[in-house]
Amino acid sequence: GQNIDQPTEMTATEGAIVQINCTYQTSGFNGLFWYQQHAGEAPTFLSYNVLDGLEEKGRFSSFLSRSKGYSYLLLKELQMKDSASYLCAVSRGGKLIFGQGTELSVKP
Amino acid sequence: DTEVTQTPKHLVMGMTNKKSLKCEQHMGHRAMYWYKQKAKKPPELMFVYSYEKLSINESVPSRFSPECPNSSLLNLHLHALQPEDSALYLCASTTAIGAGGQETQYFGPGTRLLVL
Repeated sequence: GQNIDQPTEMTATEGAIVQINCTYQTSGFNGLFWYQQHAGEAPTFLSYNVLDGLEEKGRFSSFLSRSKGYSYLLLKELQMKDSASYLCAVSRGGKLIFGQGTELSVKP
Repeated sequence: DTEVTQTPKHLVMGMTNKKSLKCEQHMGHRAMYWYKQKAKKPPELMFVYSYEKLSINESVPSRFSPECPNSSLLNLHLHALQPEDSALYLCASTTAIGAGGQETQYFGPGTRLLVL
């Protein structure tokens, strides 16, 4: 079966750093995606990891450890506009298997 | 350009109506998807088309009928829906399935559907 876990909610302060964790157990793995979704809008692609290690893209970084079935998304210099849902998704056989999403609230 | 467009943005329909949702992309992508998303839940896969052929149907009720007229267009025909079908319907596309590579899915803005 497949199981993807991430925290339901997180709160952080503007200007701070926040790490959103994702653990997964899936039969098959073609990579791990992170998407950002603002309320009422479509998910937008943030990052992709298929090999172990850290991928950095501006204020956002994503890490993967395949042996541990673990990923995290790191957001630096938080801004109010970063308040959104963050979706971890495992790619398998042409499908994305999503976690439940982490609702991040950034407070002033 | 990573744009996927969807029409209409909003749709209200009765349980006896027939309506269609449309999705279009001009990125040359050969795989297209329909998802259903309820509030505070992740997108839930409904259908996958690969090279204009239906490759995955996630046991979706027959009141939802997908169609892929060509490589750029994807439709979702709706008939005799139930109030619980009210949701955001998202379309997505990717380069191709199984060709190796990243297969990032790009999502359209969605159609917010209300069934009365």
